[in-house]
Formats: sequence, structure tokens, C-alpha cells
Amino acid sequence: GQNIDQPTEMTATEGAIVQINCTYQTSGFNGLFWYQQHAGEAPTFLSYNVLDGLEEKGRFSSFLSRSKGYSYLLLKELQMKDSASYLCAVINRDYGQNFVFGPGTRLSVLP
Amino acid sequence: GAGVSQTPSNKVTEKGKYVELRCDPISGHTALYWYRQSLGQGPEFLIYFQGTGAADDSGLPNDRFFAVRPEGSVSTLKIQRTERGDSAVYLCASSPGLAGGSLSYNEQFFGPGTRLTVL
Repeated sequence: GQNIDQPTEMTATEGAIVQINCTYQTSGFNGLFWYQQHAGEAPTFLSYNVLDGLEEKGRFSSFLSRSKGYSYLLLKELQMKDSASYLCAVINRDYGQNFVFGPGTRLSVLP
Repeated sequence: GAGVSQTPSNKVTEKGKYVELRCDPISGHTALYWYRQSLGQGPEFLIYFQGTGAADDSGLPNDRFFAVRPEGSVSTLKIQRTERGDSAVYLCASSPGLAGGSLSYNEQFFGPGTRLTVL
């Protein structure tokens, strides 16, 4: 089976840095994605990690440790528009190309 | 360019009725996915098409759910004898599939979803 875990909710202040963690247990790991989803909207792609290490893209960075089954999404210089749900999704090659999503972390950015 | 589109955006139906939800993927994308998302939860996989064939339908909850993609482009998710527990947002996503590179092969582009409410 597969299990993906994320904190349900987080709160941070505008301008700050926040780290959203994701832990997973899966066989046949074949990549991890982070998606952002604003309320009532479609998920949009943020980052992809398949090898260990840090991937940086502007204000957003994502880290992966395959041996620990762990990833995090780092958001810097938070803006009000970053208030959204952040979804961690794992691809398992034994299950084809569909994503297995975590429950999502709802981030609230306060002024 | 045009993204993934889904129709209708909202569908309200009565328990026991039949519904069809449509997905238009990005042109040229060979892979198409259906997910279901309940409030406050992550999307839950339903079915995956590669071309016209269902490569993986292990996520369909029961035989009331069926999906087709007859020409390898547009897909329709069909739900028979709807139940109140079927109420959710149904998301469709597409990806380049086998035609893309290492990242584009896997990245999925999501549509806005269809919100289904069964009364």
C-alpha cells in the first residue's frame, strides 16, 4: 500500500518563510510532485523531485530524501496570494503514471 | 494556449440519476486521468487512459462508474444510479504521456473540475 502524510493546516505571516513537510511510504518510488491549489480552482504544478536534493525555482524550493521518504516545500517571502492548499503527490511505477496525493496542507498567510 | 477544460462546471442531480462528465485534454496529450476530490482532501485517483485504452482503472470505486475515451482525446466519466456519497469535485488531468521528456512525461495539467452534487 501507499501512505502519504502532510500537516493539515499551517499559518504564517506575510514576508516570512514556511516549510511544508510531506512523508511517504511507497514501493517503486518514481518521483514526487508539489501542486498548489487555490480554493475552487484546479491544482497547478510547482515542482518535481526524483533525485535527492534541493530544487529551487524563484521563491519556491522543494527538497527530497528518498532514503527517508521525506520531502518539503519551502516558500520564501510569503505573499497573501500564497494562501492556498499545497498538495504532495507521489508516482509509483508499480501503479502506472497516476498520482497518489496526500491530504494537502492548507496554508493561511496573515498580514 | 488552451488548457484542460471540463464541462459542466457544476452539476446538481437527484439520487438514482445518471450523469456524464466531460473532459477535453490539452491537444496532443496522450495520457488522461480522472480524479475525485472531496472537501478538504487531496484528489483521489479514479482511472488513467493512455490513448484510447484504460491503462489503469483500479481507482474506480464500483461498477456504477465507467469512463471512455473513444478517439484518444475527449473523455467522458459516466456515473450510474448516483448516490449522495458521489458528491465531490471530479478533476481531469492530461499529460504528454509517452511522447514527452522526463519531466513532461509525468507532469499532469489539471482542468478546473466539475462539482457534482447529488441530492
